[in-house]
Amino acid sequence: AQTVTQSQPEMSVQEAETVTLSCTYDTSESNYYLFWYKQPPSRQMILVIRQEAYKQQNATENRFSVNFQKAAKSFSLKISDSQLGDTAMYFCASRNYGGSQGNLIFGKGTKLSVKP
Amino acid sequence: EAGVTQFPSHSVIEKGQTVTLRCDPISGHDNLYWYRRVMGKEIKFLLHFVKESKQDESGMPNNRFLAERTGGTYSTLKVQPAELEDSGVYFCASSHSGQFTYEQYFGPGTRLTVT
Repeated sequence: AQTVTQSQPEMSVQEAETVTLSCTYDTSESNYYLFWYKQPPSRQMILVIRQEAYKQQNATENRFSVNFQKAAKSFSLKISDSQLGDTAMYFCASRNYGGSQGNLIFGKGTKLSVKP
Repeated sequence: EAGVTQFPSHSVIEKGQTVTLRCDPISGHDNLYWYRRVMGKEIKFLLHFVKESKQDESGMPNNRFLAERTGGTYSTLKVQPAELEDSGVYFCASSHSGQFTYEQYFGPGTRLTVT
């Protein structure tokens, strides 16, 4: 069975600094997607960034980037120039590439606090 | 474009009662998913609809949970009778079919408390 592990229940960072959230996963599939979702307090969960496993290049979305290490099954999220609005729960998730297995497998989440 | 909406936002019921949660997906999204997060644990998949058909219901915990999606639009998730362990946040998500199925759009969730 697929599993996703986030080993940092809570983290904090000073505004404008950089923080890295860790995620490891386990899957027997060769093709899959990896995601980071963000859920701000009392708001909806939104997609931050995704990575296709067949792509070697790490995904980047503005201040958000990932370090995808396929062999190590590691998928960390780096947030540069942290802003107060980045305060949220961050969930790492995986999903098989195709077929009927459309559901996401989530980690427990990391609560990130950005301090002024 | 309206996002995924869920109703109610909160529900407090007593053990043994029935509760029905509703999810309205983004218009035109054929895929609809239900997930649940129990306090301090992972968000767990419950089931997946493609239009009105159940594509995968492997995550449904037991037969006290009944999900429907009549006409392939909104979906309901009924819990009957509710037990204490059913407490948690129930999320609904929807996505396109075809090329863009990787992105699931989530609703705000329904917080269910069973006392």
